[in-house]
Amino acid sequence: DVKVTQSSRYLVKRTGEKVFLECVQDMDHENMFWYRQDPGLGLRLIYFSYDVKMKEKGDIPEGYSVSREKKERFSLILESASTNQTSMYLCASRGTPRGPEAFFGQGTRLTVV
Amino acid sequence: AQTVTQSQPEMSVQEAETVTLSCTYDTSESDYYLFWYKQPPSRQMILVIRQEAYKQQNATENRFSVNFQKAAKSFSLKISDSQLGDAAMYFCAYRVTGNQFYFGTGTSLTVIP
Repeated sequence: DVKVTQSSRYLVKRTGEKVFLECVQDMDHENMFWYRQDPGLGLRLIYFSYDVKMKEKGDIPEGYSVSREKKERFSLILESASTNQTSMYLCASRGTPRGPEAFFGQGTRLTVV
Repeated sequence: AQTVTQSQPEMSVQEAETVTLSCTYDTSESDYYLFWYKQPPSRQMILVIRQEAYKQQNATENRFSVNFQKAAKSFSLKISDSQLGDAAMYFCAYRVTGNQFYFGTGTSLTVIP
């Protein structure tokens, strides 16, 4: 069965901390995504990666960076966490031959205090 | 700009009844995919159904079916014989043959016993 795994379900961090959110997929997918989910706003794309070491900015990249050193792993980095980054973060992956849809991780609820 | 609109933030349905969730999208592309995702309270997003734009026939998956109106850019989800387990947030999504997905703001479905 396909699997996208996020390293934490819940995180609490302090303002100014550097935060790492990790995502691993076991489907050999080329494409990986980080979304932020907020009530009433749906899912907004932060960054995506279409290959190792390749990345593209999404709609809301400010305050975030990403790293993809291996095909199966895509990390989201909050360089200096702020309270307005408190949110649900979803990782997803997509690639052949599994089809056109994305597969999601279970989500990480990040609270910045 | 690519946008996906879900105009019903909340819906409710009696158990065993039928409910239809609405979705419209805006695109200038002719080749794309449409999806409905379900996010139960446990938070993992799962695919409910998908539709390829080049296919005229509406997709069906057991109790879930879509009404795809390409000219009207409409993609509604019908859930028949609603069950308590159908209670979730439902997201409509769209993807062109590139990589990026676009999501609506979601519809929260309540199933009344």
